[in-house]
Amino acid sequence: ETGVTQTPRHLVMGMTNKKSLKCEQHLGHNAMYWYKQSAKKPLELMFVYNFKEQTENNSVPSRFSPECPNSSHLFLHLHTLQPEDSALYLCASSPEEGGLYTIYFGEGSWLTVV
Amino acid sequence: DQQVKQNSPSLSVQEGRISILNCDYTNSMFDYFLWYKKYPAEGPTFLISISSIKDKNEDGRFTVFLNKSAKHLSLHIVPSQPGDSAVYFCAAAGGTSYGKLTFGQGTILTVHP
Repeated sequence: ETGVTQTPRHLVMGMTNKKSLKCEQHLGHNAMYWYKQSAKKPLELMFVYNFKEQTENNSVPSRFSPECPNSSHLFLHLHTLQPEDSALYLCASSPEEGGLYTIYFGEGSWLTVV
Repeated sequence: DQQVKQNSPSLSVQEGRISILNCDYTNSMFDYFLWYKKYPAEGPTFLISISSIKDKNEDGRFTVFLNKSAKHLSLHIVPSQPGDSAVYFCAAAGGTSYGKLTFGQGTILTVHP
């Protein structure tokens, strides 16, 4: 059982829809991350939150909107996405952003934009 | 510009033999390296890490070697088992934030019985 839980595991949405991905970590960590894995590309960092504050936006388009209401929960709000946004979205957490900590990943949410 | 590269897309090994997965990096600021394993339809699972103050770290069947001068690291799995068949990702971090991992493309390891 993973300490980082993502829902939904699979999502199909139209380009005009608004949906959200949810992540919850049960590890007592203070840093949370969104990563994206597109087909045939490496995992790519999208956003970092440390103690609920966003510390990194890796030039992500505004149609992706993260929200971190507390250290245990992280959301990725999606609106007016494009088919090329179809990918595996991975949430991760670590004790803090700084320091040599291991980052633990959830099982991912497979997103298909039609 | 890919800062972390795994040049072998795939590797096939016989059960019981050694698997060696390689990773090269270009950013001199990287000083913390991790290996993750990923099965289909699952998230990456942490395997082993190494910081730049070491050149070797061992955990059971897994050993990671770091050659800082060559900007190269490798993961050795001995002995390899069929359950090790998965995609292996190398990741690196350093500088101002160790939370910002840069990943390689992954290597598909297949261990044949």
